[in-house]
Amino acid sequence: DTEVTQTPKHLVMGMTNKKSLKCEQHMGHRAMYWYKQKAKKPPELMFVYSYEKLSINESVPSRFSPECPNSSLLNLHLHALQPEDSALYLCASSPLQGSYEQYFGPGTRLTVT
Amino acid sequence: GQNIDQPTEMTATEGAIVQINCTYQTSGFNGLFWYQQHAGEAPTFLSYNVLDGLEEKGRFSSFLSRSKGYSYLLLKELQMKDSASYLCALSNDYKLSFGAGTTVTVRA
Repeated sequence: DTEVTQTPKHLVMGMTNKKSLKCEQHMGHRAMYWYKQKAKKPPELMFVYSYEKLSINESVPSRFSPECPNSSLLNLHLHALQPEDSALYLCASSPLQGSYEQYFGPGTRLTVT
Repeated sequence: GQNIDQPTEMTATEGAIVQINCTYQTSGFNGLFWYQQHAGEAPTFLSYNVLDGLEEKGRFSSFLSRSKGYSYLLLKELQMKDSASYLCALSNDYKLSFGAGTTVTVRA
């Protein structure tokens, strides 16, 4: 199973809502990533988890809160987002952190109204 | 920091060959990845170069020259389904850093 799954596929939320994005992999990978991608731009790294511990936070605003409950799951909790946070949110995993092929999930298309 | 440059767009004809260049300025990296991303979909891995030289994988080849700060992705026998964005990315011990991507349009 070389698949990374993400739910939901689409999400529309108001600026006062709280929602969560979910990501799951069963490849035994010990590194998991959250990226944000705006239209016609490359993926922009937000967070990296290595062995379920936060390894990198790329100065992401606190309205985005990641969580790694176990080695297969990665969540991104959203609260008080702004319209400019509307984007495709991609999850990825790799065997270890660093120079390994990353497997990307299909993404969650988020719209903040 | 890392400065990664790719052309924004390229157009080619079905059956032809296209070469996508990627130049970079960096203090150090482990390897260079190429990913393909169709519109609205996730990036998928194409190739990885650690050492200088050519890596061939079917219709796709990737080349790296560390001394020149240069890589390219070569797509042969272009097919309509190759229309996509192609992302060059440098890796270190911690993460990937992506270039802005090159949108390739294949015309019949």
